[in-house]
Amino acid sequence: DTAVSQTPKYLVTQMGNDKSIKCEQNLGHDTMYWYKQDSKKFLKIMFSYNNKELIINETVPNRFSPKSPDKAHLNLHINSLELGDSAVYFCASSQQGVLRAFFGQGTRLTVV
Amino acid sequence: DQQVKQNSPSLSVQEGRISILNCDYTNSMFDYFLWYKKYPAEGPTFLISISSIKDKNEDGRFTVFLNKSAKHLSLHIVPSQPGDSAVYFCAASLMNRDDKIIFGKGTRLHILP
Repeated sequence: DTAVSQTPKYLVTQMGNDKSIKCEQNLGHDTMYWYKQDSKKFLKIMFSYNNKELIINETVPNRFSPKSPDKAHLNLHINSLELGDSAVYFCASSQQGVLRAFFGQGTRLTVV
Repeated sequence: DQQVKQNSPSLSVQEGRISILNCDYTNSMFDYFLWYKKYPAEGPTFLISISSIKDKNEDGRFTVFLNKSAKHLSLHIVPSQPGDSAVYFCAASLMNRDDKIIFGKGTRLHILP
């Protein structure tokens, strides 16, 4: 059983489109995150949610909107996609904060 | 502004020898450090961590050393095995703030047969 699963694994879309990436964790964790790994390979946190409440929003454009219907799910919706949004997006979850997070396999988003 | 730096993008080591991956940080407030391992097309997985009250933590073949005065940590893998070929991310955080962690850019380790 995959602990943190995100779909889709690959996403190719045109500029200006709206897309969503889904994430689910079956670990019973209270906190979920979205990270972005850009072309420079840095893993940067975008959002964190604790029990469905937004905790961190790290200067992410408001075109990115996380949605947490329950504490096992944290979906990422992106409006008006831009070329610079191309990256690998990782979902993660933890029980004791980010200090020991479990990551999903990543979603490679390519905006053309 | 890179608060966590991994200056070697890649490293090749003979199987059976020691692999040493290095990491430097700039923020002296960091008090908890982690190493994550990442295979292609997978998410990073937690490997080992160390708090600033220690200077060494060992788990099987993996040992992390912390030099606070130099703001430097290293991961030693002994002996290196083919399955250790992966990207290794160094990360740092504050223990009393469980909200975010700063990652380095990673070092790709190749274990040669």
